[in-house]
This record gives sequence, C-alpha cells and structure tokens, in this order.
Amino acid sequence: QQQVKQSPQSLIVQKGGISIINCAYENTAFDYFPWYQQFPGKGPALLIAIRPDVSEKKEGRFTISFNKSAKQFSLHIMDSQPGDSATYFCAASLQTGANNLFFGTGTRLTVIP
Amino acid sequence: ETGVTQTPRHLVMGMTNKKSLKCEQHLGHNAMYWYKQSAKKPLELMFVYNFKEQTENNSVPSRFSPECPNSSHLFLHLHTLQPEDSALYLCASSQDKGIWRYEQYFGPGTRLTVT
Repeated sequence: QQQVKQSPQSLIVQKGGISIINCAYENTAFDYFPWYQQFPGKGPALLIAIRPDVSEKKEGRFTISFNKSAKQFSLHIMDSQPGDSATYFCAASLQTGANNLFFGTGTRLTVIP
Repeated sequence: ETGVTQTPRHLVMGMTNKKSLKCEQHLGHNAMYWYKQSAKKPLELMFVYNFKEQTENNSVPSRFSPECPNSSHLFLHLHTLQPEDSALYLCASSQDKGIWRYEQYFGPGTRLTVT
C-alpha cells in the first residue's frame, strides 16, 4: 500500500502567491520527512527536511509544517516564483531497514507570471 | 550537478535486446539505489546496495539484473523487457549511516523506451 499520500496532483499559482502541498502518512516509525524538488530532465534533489519532534522548519521561502498527531505535513512556498515551477515529492524515511525512503506521488507546480 | 552521473540519458530498445544502464557517484557514499519513475506513481525502489552488497530486491522481475562492482559504480542490466517497463530509471546514492539515509542524491536518470 502507498506509505505516503500526497495532494494535490497539480497546482497552478500566481507569481507572488503561496503554494501549499500536503502529505499524510500512517507509519509512526518514520523519523524524517524530506521534500524533494525535480525539474524536467533532472533527478529529484533534496529541498528541505524535518524531524517529527519539530512542528515547523523554514529555509528561505520554503517552510515545512508538521502535525504529528494528525500524521500530516505540508510544504509552503512563499512568494512563489516562475523558477519554482517543478514537481515536488514529499517522502518519509526510516533509519532502519534497507528500503528507507518512501515517496509520495508528486505535485506538479506551475507558477504563472 | 549532484555528483551522480548516469549513462545513457536516453535508450530505445526492442523487447529482445540486451542493454545496460550505468551509474557512477563521486560523493564517497556507500549506499546506492535504483528507482523506477513512472508518471503519477511514487518512485519505486528497485534495488539497494550497501558496501557493494545487495540488501534489497523489491520484488523486481528477473529481467532486471543489478551489478555493483564497487561502492562508486552501479549497473542495471536489462533483457527481454516489456513495453510497461518504459520509464525513467533513476540512480541515487547516500551515506548509510542512520539519520543520513534520507538524504539521497539522484542522477538525472535514463529515459527508457521499450518498443
């Protein structure tokens, strides 16, 4: 079954607006929640990550909000720019086991000028 | 660039062909991964190698055969593929130390088309 559920599948935001992507998980053993960004023709690249004992992490215009009780986390992109147009994947990680990173299905973000 | 290179970038092959995908990482990592990326699906982990030893085979059909001769190189040998195997194949690497395993570095992928 899908370990991490992501929505929406696609998102169109005006330049300067806020982009919000949501993810949910079931396995409480997950111990790290990274977000990856993928541009066309490139592999995914780590953008930002959060531990489950923190409710929010901010790096520049990118913020992860984490709700441990609801088992949900989200990525907020403030002041969205056309250069942010990419596919974003949430993921959840386990320290143990060989299969240690579980990805969502991805959100294609388009920021229009 | 991420420090992970993949060749070829594009590959078209018939169902009876045999081909190989190559991945090389220049990051000093000791874990390497093969993923399959298909549209509207999560990245599917195929194989994991830690210190050159295969530690995961995620129920991948035998027509995909991995090889890891050393901790910097990873191959995926392909034979008798099916059209549904057409996808982007991504290689990644990471440290294999607990908390850092979530930080994977991906190559640009090989776009495979099976005709």
